[in-house]
Amino acid sequence: DIQMTQSPSSLSASVGDRVTITCRASQGITNSLAWFQQKPGKAPRSLIYAASSLQSGVPSNFSGSGSGTDFTLTISSLQPEDFATYYCQQYNSFPWTFGQGTKVEIQ
Amino acid sequence: EVQLLESGGGLVQPGGSLRLSCAASGFTFSSYTMIWARQAPGKGLEWVSSISGSGDRTYYADSVKGRFTISRDNSENTLHLQMNSLRVEDTAVYYCAKGLFPWGQGTLVTVSS
Repeated sequence: DIQMTQSPSSLSASVGDRVTITCRASQGITNSLAWFQQKPGKAPRSLIYAASSLQSGVPSNFSGSGSGTDFTLTISSLQPEDFATYYCQQYNSFPWTFGQGTKVEIQ
Repeated sequence: EVQLLESGGGLVQPGGSLRLSCAASGFTFSSYTMIWARQAPGKGLEWVSSISGSGDRTYYADSVKGRFTISRDNSENTLHLQMNSLRVEDTAVYYCAKGLFPWGQGTLVTVSS
């Protein structure tokens, strides 16, 4: 199985900060990577697919990059509504696997 | 607008069974792989199972293989997850999703004596 390792597991940031979350796959997954945002008590929301394609309706301050084994989610200017937990997921091969999550908290 | 509505969750004793359903609308259901994923209380996300659009290919996480069965009724635009031999560790919110996205709101399954 492909292991997905996210870092950091949590971070504290302020509104307006630039935030970067990384995700590393245990083997190459080309660009078969998605990023999700989840708020407490809510279903995950898709942000990015194919490593860098922005989902419809997602603000442009979110961006994704990477290919192979190393990927990044960047929030260019953190907004109050962006405080949440973020997950990466590989869908290159079954079983699909998720990272352990990164909780973005208010500093 | 894509809508996914899960149902069938509830409280069940260890060793028991439940059947989850996901009613889909707003897209051509038979054209899409559908998935089930879950999230145990306070934990991260876990993919559970996937089924191809025609239903001829299914995939399962090792943690549920042999106990859970995914199926679909393309005439009714409905996805199912038959869960047998349930364990305490199967307690979670179960989500259905159209491929990668979007996800439904989830249904809670609690396995407890």
